[in-house]
Amino acid sequence: QVQLVESGGGVVQPGRSLRLSCAASGFTFSLFGMHWVRQAPGKGLEWVAVTSYDESNKYYIDSVKGRFTISRDNSKNRLYLQMNSLRPEDTAVYYCAKEHYESSITYYMDVWGQGTTVTVSS
Amino acid sequence: NFMLTQPHSVSESPGKTVTISCTRSSGSIASYYVQWYQQRPGSSPTTVIYEDNQRPSGVPYRFSGSIDSSSNSASLTISGLQTEDEADYYCQSYDTSNPHVVFGGGTKLTVL
Repeated sequence: QVQLVESGGGVVQPGRSLRLSCAASGFTFSLFGMHWVRQAPGKGLEWVAVTSYDESNKYYIDSVKGRFTISRDNSKNRLYLQMNSLRPEDTAVYYCAKEHYESSITYYMDVWGQGTTVTVSS
Repeated sequence: NFMLTQPHSVSESPGKTVTISCTRSSGSIASYYVQWYQQRPGSSPTTVIYEDNQRPSGVPYRFSGSIDSSSNSASLTISGLQTEDEADYYCQSYDTSNPHVVFGGGTKLTVL
């Protein structure tokens, strides 16, 4: 079955960096776009970034542009989120999510991981 | 950038029908598909409606979606409410001119 497993979360001081990873299985990872979505404690969902299946298109929410980088390694079936210059407001559970359709970004996320928690605090 | 506005909470009795609205602030609701996600406490979101009115396999027929261009809004309707429907529901859409995704603020459904 389709499965996404995030890892790499933790407690980090403001201004530091963290890299999240998402391991995919049960589908042909290299054919699908992938998203990162976050949820601050007690708050709603907030989309962070998306990459197309081949990394030719990448889009970000304005608040993370220039600080976060989404990437993927199709040979390892892994999605990444490099987070630099972290701020307290980046504290959240970070989910990776899979695009529904092959080879295109349609912004419908059909499968989500269980999430990894990032806490930015001094 | 646009916003999607949902009621903060709704409540209804088991067996009844409830409708959750999602109003788009700018841009036509009909031009960009709307998805609806259910999130139970402590769990990841799952899709209950995609592309305005499509149900993923495994989602009961009790869940339905629609859009209304006159009010520039989308709606999620749940009929025959069950206690297991108690959850947070999020609408989601996007923009392609400045590519990004927006979620509504979420609606807490209480089935009492």
